Amino acid sequence: RKEVEQDPGPFNVPEGATVAFNCTYSNSASQSFFWYRQDCRKEPKLLMSVYSSGNEDGRFTAQLNRASQYISLLIRDSKLSDSATYLCAVPAWRQTGANNLFFGTGTRLTVIP
Amino acid sequence: NAGVTQTPKFRILKIGQSMTLQCTQDMNHNYMYWYRQDPGMGLKLIYYSVGAGITDKGEVPNGYNVSRSTTEDFPLRLELAAPSQTSVYFCASKKGAGNTGELFFGEGSRLTVL
Repeated sequence: RKEVEQDPGPFNVPEGATVAFNCTYSNSASQSFFWYRQDCRKEPKLLMSVYSSGNEDGRFTAQLNRASQYISLLIRDSKLSDSATYLCAVPAWRQTGANNLFFGTGTRLTVIP
Repeated sequence: NAGVTQTPKFRILKIGQSMTLQCTQDMNHNYMYWYRQDPGMGLKLIYYSVGAGITDKGEVPNGYNVSRSTTEDFPLRLELAAPSQTSVYFCASKKGAGNTGELFFGEGSRLTVL
């Protein structure tokens, strides 16, 4: 099983819609999770961190389901500017602590006018 | 504040050639990483470093080498380039260990091997 798995999409939604992506992870001991946003031909940038049950930032909500080992990203009132690829990331635990992140393949979102 | 700077941004190599992708950060971060991203795929870790003089392999290290002589610089060396190394390479840095902390990425280096 891969460390992190995401539905690649694409998700095509109209402006104003609510859309949700899921990301499953294999390591039940994981304590923190991250959503990165990557615009076309650009570098990934951190969107949200999730350390407990969830996190909310404006129109964006990230939720954690430890029992089923997945995290979700909910985007409300979608804007054209939300069009991007959303990458899920989980720390890779080593004896010296989490030194890097495992990234999912990303979910591509296109918001349509 | 420049953050993470990668050079070159674009490069075309012939099979068998060698080159070095440069990466420097001015945030005094201890941790630095090299990832590659193939079309439609996630980021795969090539090598990482937890500090000057310390490097370790990631998921896909074959065909690459790194060094970390200073805190700021983390070059990635490609020896005997192969078409399978055609990819976008991202350098990233993080302040320290633990499960917190944001990865800061450079703008990427797009490499084509023909």
